[in-house]
Amino acid sequence: DAKTTQPNSMESNEEEPVHLPCNHSTISGTDYIHWYRQLPSQGPEYVIHGLTSNVNNRMASLAIAEDRKSSTLILHRATLRDAAVYYCILRDAPNAGKSTFGDGTTLTVKP
Amino acid sequence: NAGVTQTPKFRILKIGQSMTLQCTQDMNHNYMYWYRQDPGMGLKLIYYSVGAGITDKGEVPNGYNVSRSTTEDFPLRLELAAPSQTSVYFCASSRNLEKLFFGSGTQLSVL
Repeated sequence: DAKTTQPNSMESNEEEPVHLPCNHSTISGTDYIHWYRQLPSQGPEYVIHGLTSNVNNRMASLAIAEDRKSSTLILHRATLRDAAVYYCILRDAPNAGKSTFGDGTTLTVKP
Repeated sequence: NAGVTQTPKFRILKIGQSMTLQCTQDMNHNYMYWYRQDPGMGLKLIYYSVGAGITDKGEVPNGYNVSRSTTEDFPLRLELAAPSQTSVYFCASSRNLEKLFFGSGTQLSVL
């Protein structure tokens, strides 16, 4: 299974944009890039996903590199409620989407 | 819609006891997954299923069993509980490779 690499932690100021990077150099052509976040004592929550093109939704934007070996989750204006662990995972199409979660990036938002 | 429902929320087992963690989803999703999460770590895949009657092992299947007799239900069985199985267990489901929906988790302690 292809793996992802993320920084252990990042900090941001409230109301500023946040760019969370993810490397996935062994990604295959059929892997979907998904992002989830997890608040303390809760299950992971879906944020966004994409295959090749950049994606936007009400929560965030996903920028995918042209070679697909990296991606960036963009939170346009961080709020205190965005403080969480963010996971970048690859969902493997030929293998029923089974995914390996790394340890994620812990985002701290300072007021 | 209730989404993904897990029961129980908390459980304490003695070493050697057995139990079943229940997971049900009402979204008619074909893919279902069981993960465990140890403190401060990411999620590790235990078992997954692509549909009723079909299951397969994930990264850490030893000590667990699953079944998928219906689309809705995907119970996880622990036989001969060991302290190493103390963890938080999450069930998740998705329609193909679309977004994963997670349950709220079961916190299990084996003493």
